Amino acid sequence: EMQLLESGGGLVQPGGSLRLSCAASGFTFSSYAMSWVRQAPGKGLEWVSGISGGGESTYYADSVKGRFTISRDNSKNTLYLQMDSLRAEDTAVYYCAKDLYGIVVVTSIQLWGQGTLVTVSS
Amino acid sequence: QSALTQPASVSGSPGQSITISCTGTSSDVGDYNYVSWYQQHPGKAPKLMIYDVNNRPSGVSNRFSGSKSVNAASLTISGLQAEDEADYYCSSYRSSSTPYVFGTGTKVTVL
Repeated sequence: EMQLLESGGGLVQPGGSLRLSCAASGFTFSSYAMSWVRQAPGKGLEWVSGISGGGESTYYADSVKGRFTISRDNSKNTLYLQMDSLRAEDTAVYYCAKDLYGIVVVTSIQLWGQGTLVTVSS
Repeated sequence: QSALTQPASVSGSPGQSITISCTGTSSDVGDYNYVSWYQQHPGKAPKLMIYDVNNRPSGVSNRFSGSKSVNAASLTISGLQAEDEADYYCSSYRSSSTPYVFGTGTKVTVL
């Protein structure tokens, strides 16, 4: 069974940093593009960042460009999101997401993790 | 880089059909067939319902169907059931440095 399990969320002060991890299982991790998607409380979905299967290509939403860094370790079947210079508006549930069949870019999200809550507040 | 536009809410009675629209541009919905639809119940992760405009993943009811015309896509739910009450989001690949975008979301209410 395919599964994604996020960890690393929590409470952080404005300007602080946090690193999210996502452990994947049940599929060939390196064969799929992966993404992070967030959802602020009571709001809609926002695609945050994506990475190709081999890790060579990365993509970011304008709202996080220059502050967040996506990476992956295919030997550990793990996806990461390093979040720096965090702001109150980054408060959200962050979902790890597996593409349906794309290896380079995101085409459709087949599998979602359960989400991890990041709260940015003093 | 705006989100795709969806109506805030759509409602229908059990057994009826409803359609949710998703309006994009020639840089996303209009130029690619990578349009998807997701269902999200409160407190749960989204679930893929339609991919590549009109394809259903295994296990998704055939009451759900998708289509596209020019720069707009649509999701139709036929034979509406109480369990269909949820938020629905469209999405599309786009030719941009930010290559993926979601719609604004539509709350479906079963009367």
